[in-house]
Amino acid sequence: DAGVTQSPTHLIKTRGQHVTLRCSPISGHKSVSWYQQVLGQGPQFIFQYYEKEERGRGNFPDRFSARQFPNYSSELNVNALLLGDSALYLCASSEDSHSYEQYFGPGTRLTVT
Amino acid sequence: SQQGEEDPQALSIQEGENATMNCSYKTSINNLQWYRQNSGRGLVHLILIRSNEREKHSGRLRVTLDTSKKSSSLLITASRAADTASYFCATENTGNQFYFGTGTSLTVIP
Repeated sequence: DAGVTQSPTHLIKTRGQHVTLRCSPISGHKSVSWYQQVLGQGPQFIFQYYEKEERGRGNFPDRFSARQFPNYSSELNVNALLLGDSALYLCASSEDSHSYEQYFGPGTRLTVT
Repeated sequence: SQQGEEDPQALSIQEGENATMNCSYKTSINNLQWYRQNSGRGLVHLILIRSNEREKHSGRLRVTLDTSKKSSSLLITASRAADTASYFCATENTGNQFYFGTGTSLTVIP
């Protein structure tokens, strides 16, 4: 079975633009979570979605939004990009919304110039 | 701020030695997990320990959890050069939020 996939692998955007990142979970997994990892730090939780509904939200501004589709894939949208949004964005899937190990994708590296 | 704090921040050991890293957290949790990350890419799940468990083993890994002290430790026995990576603890709190610690960078010298 394929693992968690994310696209694109890497992208460069300009301040003020918006970006959409995509994630496909492992087949059979219904929960998707998004994390932001700034260089040298641990991942910071952004959102968790389960069965297309938001189940958890971290301390991120409203510029960050996400959604989950009927096939359980997910998109993370970031509007009005700031230089500080430059980071590795990680997607993780799990079977359920809690108490299960998460399986991470390779990440999307976003650079904002 | 992040929930977890790992200690030490960095650790260098000789191949064959044991490596111990610790994690402290702040609030009540459902479970605690340890992950490994190579070169800033995706994280690999190592082991999950639930809040009602005190110790768990998986191969060369041993994890302990002390909920009264809000702390956990990861022991890697008989380390190998391939164990060189960053290790993170992650907690899931009762509000369905996940928090990662700051990480321990482990270097195993052949």
